[in-house]
Amino acid sequence: SQTIHQWPATLVQPVGSPLSLECTVEGTSNPNLYWYRQAAGRGLQLLFYSVGIGQISSEVPQNLSASRPQDRQFILSSKKLLLSDSGFYLCAWSGQGAMDTQYFGPGTRLTVL
Amino acid sequence: AQSVTQPDIHITVSEGASLELRCNYSYGATPYLFWYVQSPGQGLQLLLKYFSGDTLVQGIKGFEAEFKRSQSSFNLRKPSVHWSDAAEYFCAVGTGFQKLVFGTGTRLLVSP
Repeated sequence: SQTIHQWPATLVQPVGSPLSLECTVEGTSNPNLYWYRQAAGRGLQLLFYSVGIGQISSEVPQNLSASRPQDRQFILSSKKLLLSDSGFYLCAWSGQGAMDTQYFGPGTRLTVL
Repeated sequence: AQSVTQPDIHITVSEGASLELRCNYSYGATPYLFWYVQSPGQGLQLLLKYFSGDTLVQGIKGFEAEFKRSQSSFNLRKPSVHWSDAAEYFCAVGTGFQKLVFGTGTRLLVSP
């Protein structure tokens, strides 16, 4: 069966520091991968999605970036964190079908101080 | 643009009582509709989804949802709520391009 991992689970970082969040998927190949952010009291906002290695689409302009160095690895990065980057970051995967179900990881709680 | 409205931020239901969570969407074509549940500090778990066909969809944990095109609604129901159902529930619409637009969620509290 497929599983999705995210780490770290929680992270506290100072403003201006770099960021690297990692997501990996097991038990499937060629997945679509997604990064979402969930701010307090708000729904999920799609940040990036990827349909293949090195293929990244950005949904929202921001100081974050994403990379997909391997088929089942998706990384969310920032060179300099802002206070507004605080939130709960969720990675998800789906099949390549037109509207395949998205399956979510456990999330990373990021607090920027 | 696509949007999802969940008008209830919080709902409190007594254990054993019935539940209905409201979801209204805005989308020009036939939507793909989803309900997810999120326990505190956890990721999202799919409860059910609607793509086409029968407008009454059965999901996991005894949940069901009904798609009503005329009302642009996809309300989630459960006949008898258990304390373990306390969580946050998200409705989402898919645009057919592998993108989901989520509502802001409804937090369900279950009283004894």
